[in-house]
Amino acid sequence: DGGITQSPKYLFRKEGQNVTLSCEQNLNHDAMYWYRQDPGQGLRLIYYSQIVNDFQKGDIAEGYSVSREKKESFPLTVTSAQKNPTAFYLCASSPAGVDGNYGYTFGSGTRLTVV
Amino acid sequence: DAKTTQPTSMDCAEGRAANLPCNHSTISGNEYVYWYRQIHSQGPQYIIHGLKNNETNEMASLIITEDRKSSTLILPHATLRDTAVYYCIVRALLGTSGTYKYIFGTGTRLKVLA
Repeated sequence: DGGITQSPKYLFRKEGQNVTLSCEQNLNHDAMYWYRQDPGQGLRLIYYSQIVNDFQKGDIAEGYSVSREKKESFPLTVTSAQKNPTAFYLCASSPAGVDGNYGYTFGSGTRLTVV
Repeated sequence: DAKTTQPTSMDCAEGRAANLPCNHSTISGNEYVYWYRQIHSQGPQYIIHGLKNNETNEMASLIITEDRKSSTLILPHATLRDTAVYYCIVRALLGTSGTYKYIFGTGTRLKVLA
């Protein structure tokens, strides 16, 4: 069954620590995305990648970093520079880059809490 | 910079049709309208998309006005499990890069009542 997997489902971080959220897809999609969702809010774009070894900042990239070494994987690191990291993080993928009229497939999300 | 406008919330009786409106008056001629829904603490789920013709699948129907400035998602027989936030989405230009992103607004919170 093709899909997109995020792990872990729940993550707790102490202030000052970096944490990495995993996102893996087996859909052979070229483009991958990271969104952040705060309670009662819509999704905001953090980073996106249209191709391996390339990624671009979205609307709220400060305090986050990504890599795209493999087509299947797009991990997100929440660094200590992110002042308000507690949120629900969603990873998505699509068949082609953002130029195309393609819908997204989403993962089930990671809920990050700073303790 | 949301490109769509949706009502904040709606109620619908179980078994009745739920009609969720969306305004997208700045949509370009070759852009699709997508609908997703999100059940609490899960990832958004794709429902349907369309360009200018009405579309139907096993989940819903999508009615797009002739001028394409608005659309309506129809859940023909709403169930309690359809309670969710429904997002209507079109593309938006990402800065000056010439690339696009999908902007998710706050959506419509649909509550199906028993």
